Amino acid sequence: NAGVTQTPKFQVLKTGQSMTLQCAQDMNHNSMYWYRQDPGMGLRLIYYSASEGTTDKGEVPNGYNVSRLNKREFSLRLESAAPSQTSVYFCASSEAGLFYEQYFGPGTRLTVT
Amino acid sequence: GNSVTQMEGPVTLSEEAFLTINCTYTATGYPSLFWYVQYPGEGLQLLLKATKADDKGSNKGFEATYRKETTSFHLEKGSVQVSDSAVYFCALRGDSNYQLIWGAGTKLIIKP
Repeated sequence: NAGVTQTPKFQVLKTGQSMTLQCAQDMNHNSMYWYRQDPGMGLRLIYYSASEGTTDKGEVPNGYNVSRLNKREFSLRLESAAPSQTSVYFCASSEAGLFYEQYFGPGTRLTVT
Repeated sequence: GNSVTQMEGPVTLSEEAFLTINCTYTATGYPSLFWYVQYPGEGLQLLLKATKADDKGSNKGFEATYRKETTSFHLEKGSVQVSDSAVYFCALRGDSNYQLIWGAGTKLIIKP
């Protein structure tokens, strides 16, 4: 069991470039999440997907889009990257209820210059 | 709205010392409470949880008791090890709005 995997691990973008962060889980979980982590601010929810075919905005959705491709995969897209999006991005999944007992991936460290 | 407040770090202790990391919350109803741990360079892992008042969550020698009267969920360990060095996050899941509310995290440094 790989758990939750994320690619890439590191990425540097120039302002205005676009990219997609990939996330996959092999635990057959219904719910998946994208967070960003900034120093001293804990985690902030960007988007989540309660089940395959649904997505909802979290606390900080502006500048991002998501796709729940199937039950396993949940991608996060930055259409036009900005320096304020420099952060560490974590994908997570859960089975036993929405936002309950989440399993996290190793993270993607993104720098926008 | 709901909120979580954790003690600021870093917290620096010697090996075998007693650990307390404070976490207090504000919430209506009956939230569930969690402690997550993040080791250097890794994602977060669930450490322990409690879903109702007076529940005690425990794992890997860590404990936390859900105290509704003091709205607290303090993390404790009797004897810390160098391998416990990590960032610890307290989180709350409301009983109506399920989105997790996260504390800012407390960095723990254990010196041999």
